[in-house]
Amino acid sequence: DAKTTQPPSMDCAEGRAANLPCNHSTISGNEYVYWYRQIHSQGPQYIIHGLKNNETNEMASLIITEDRKSSTLILPHATLRDTAVYYCIVRVFSSGSARQLTFGSGTQLTVLP
Amino acid sequence: NAGVMQNPRHLVRRRGQEARLRCSPMKGHSHVYWYRQLPEEGLKFMVYLQKENIIDESGMPKERFSAEFPKEGPSILRIQQVVRGDSAAYFCASSPRTPNTEAFFGQGTRLTVV
Repeated sequence: DAKTTQPPSMDCAEGRAANLPCNHSTISGNEYVYWYRQIHSQGPQYIIHGLKNNETNEMASLIITEDRKSSTLILPHATLRDTAVYYCIVRVFSSGSARQLTFGSGTQLTVLP
Repeated sequence: NAGVMQNPRHLVRRRGQEARLRCSPMKGHSHVYWYRQLPEEGLKFMVYLQKENIIDESGMPKERFSAEFPKEGPSILRIQQVVRGDSAAYFCASSPRTPNTEAFFGQGTRLTVV
């Protein structure tokens, strides 16, 4: 699976949009971009995923560049409960099997009051 | 639809004992993944199983660790003769067979070896 690069930490003011970048310059055509987060000591929580089109759900938006070499996770109105480590992961599917997720170091997002 | 259930949530074992960690995947999910998170470190993949089959165990230590996902019942991660370095949070995730789907994680089992 392609390697991802994320900033180690970011701060965001409560109520503002949090934009978390991720570089995945070696991504291949059959790899999806996934975002998970881990709130302290809890199990990772799925946020969103996409292949090449931008995606939006009730939690966040995912913007993938046209060349797919980078993406941005957007939390539109960050709250204190969004403080967590955010992981950007690329994941390949082949032959109908779902490969495991490979977690990097992630970005520690701290939402400030 | 209940989420991924792991038990026990906390487990204390003395050095040399066996630890058994259980994971019940979400209903309809036939893929199970185990991850380990050492203190202050990231999540590391251990093993990927489908019903009655180990698909990828490239992240499993070669000795003392084993995993199974029987036809009936939960997936079990078994650690024999535990050592202090096995102290960690162990997370299980499950996903359905269909590609392009998300994996859902349980709340983990925190193993402490004393």
